[in-house]
Amino acid sequence: GENVEQHPSTLSVQEGDSAVIKCTYSDSASNYFPWYKQELGKRPQLIIDIRSNVGEKKDQRIAVTLNKTAKHFSLHITETQPEDSAVYFCAASINTGNQFYFGTGTSLTVIP
Amino acid sequence: GAVVSQHPSWVICKSGTSVKIECRSLDFQATTMFWYRQFPKQSLMLMATSNEGSKATYEQGVEKDKFLINHASLTLSTLTVTSAHPEDSSFYICSAPRWGATTNQPQHFGDGTRLSIL
Repeated sequence: GENVEQHPSTLSVQEGDSAVIKCTYSDSASNYFPWYKQELGKRPQLIIDIRSNVGEKKDQRIAVTLNKTAKHFSLHITETQPEDSAVYFCAASINTGNQFYFGTGTSLTVIP
Repeated sequence: GAVVSQHPSWVICKSGTSVKIECRSLDFQATTMFWYRQFPKQSLMLMATSNEGSKATYEQGVEKDKFLINHASLTLSTLTVTSAHPEDSSFYICSAPRWGATTNQPQHFGDGTRLSIL
């Protein structure tokens, strides 16, 4: 099956700085890549997603880039705020089944 | 608001007990639902795909006789952890794609069930 790796596992940034989280995937058939934010003990919340026919997508302070050739995609958060502190998960999905395979997660701490 | 409801949110029970967790889609029909398991500070691991009207598909390494899945209707999937033991203690969470078999869409997650086996 699909194997998704995510780095770094922990990330601390000063408020206002940018944060970047990177993921790689193994199955070239994967074509949908969502990013989820999860606060402790709560459900994952979708923050942005990208499909394989697009190289970049932006939504206010959040952007995602995708390099299909290299099989990696990244989450970029600009002007970070303390409320951005959470665990972020990337995922990859293959067209045929909608199953998500998640990365290992990144614990982001934004220091006020 | 929530589109997927999961119940119960927290269960504490003795070793050997079987525990049933329900996952409901609230305002849409879900022919497919997914069950994940999450250990503290770890990622969500896909356990199985629940299919309405047919057998669930389990990921490699997941015991189907241990984790029974029943997708009885278009809005309900249940996960039963049979004869639970302390090592089964975990956070179990379900999800459903809102638009049925349409691919490349986000999942809607339930609130999760924290299972603690004494």
